[in-house]
Amino acid sequence: LAKTTQPISMDSYEGQEVNITCSHNNIATNDYITWYQQFPSQGPRFIIQGYKTKVTNEVASLFIPADRKSSTLSLPRVSLSDTAVYYCLVSGYSSASKIIFGSGTRLSIRP
Amino acid sequence: GAVVSQHPSWVICKSGTSVKIECRSLDFQATTMFWYRQFPKQSLMLMATSNEGSKATYEQGVEKDKFLINHASLTLSTLTVTSAHPEDSSFYICSAATPTGTGNTIYFGEGSWLTVV
Repeated sequence: LAKTTQPISMDSYEGQEVNITCSHNNIATNDYITWYQQFPSQGPRFIIQGYKTKVTNEVASLFIPADRKSSTLSLPRVSLSDTAVYYCLVSGYSSASKIIFGSGTRLSIRP
Repeated sequence: GAVVSQHPSWVICKSGTSVKIECRSLDFQATTMFWYRQFPKQSLMLMATSNEGSKATYEQGVEKDKFLINHASLTLSTLTVTSAHPEDSSFYICSAATPTGTGNTIYFGEGSWLTVV
């Protein structure tokens, strides 16, 4: 199981771009990288998923270098409502692949 | 999109009683579901893998006789906390995965707060 390492916490201000990097040195060839957002007392919510290079959707971008040993979640122009814990998960293609959570990154956005 | 739903959202039970939490995949079939527990300000901890039609597999340190898991259909897994004690009070979350265009996407339920008094 690929282990992920993220910064424990980050602070930023409204309107700024926030980049959260995750390390996953032992990622396997068939593994995908997915980022989730979790608010207190709620289940994690899907943000974005990718395998390599760059993926963009309406809320975030995901950058994955060629060696895939890390990934960076980019949140453009954050707002106070983006204050949450962000988890980077690595999982295999099988629906039975176990997911082990790392510590996550507690992002705090200030006015 | 795919949705995983849990019920109840919160439950209070007396010490020594049992409580059941349901996890449903609403628009896809899930042969495998996962159960996590989460303490305040901590990350999710995997408890067990729920396998449709067969026994669940538990992570090390998780008592299978205390946390009974049943996965009787492709859309429903249940977690029963038996003889609950105050230390079982926690936030329980389930998840299930479904293939998507980019691979396998995992969806999580809304979570269920259990308070044992």
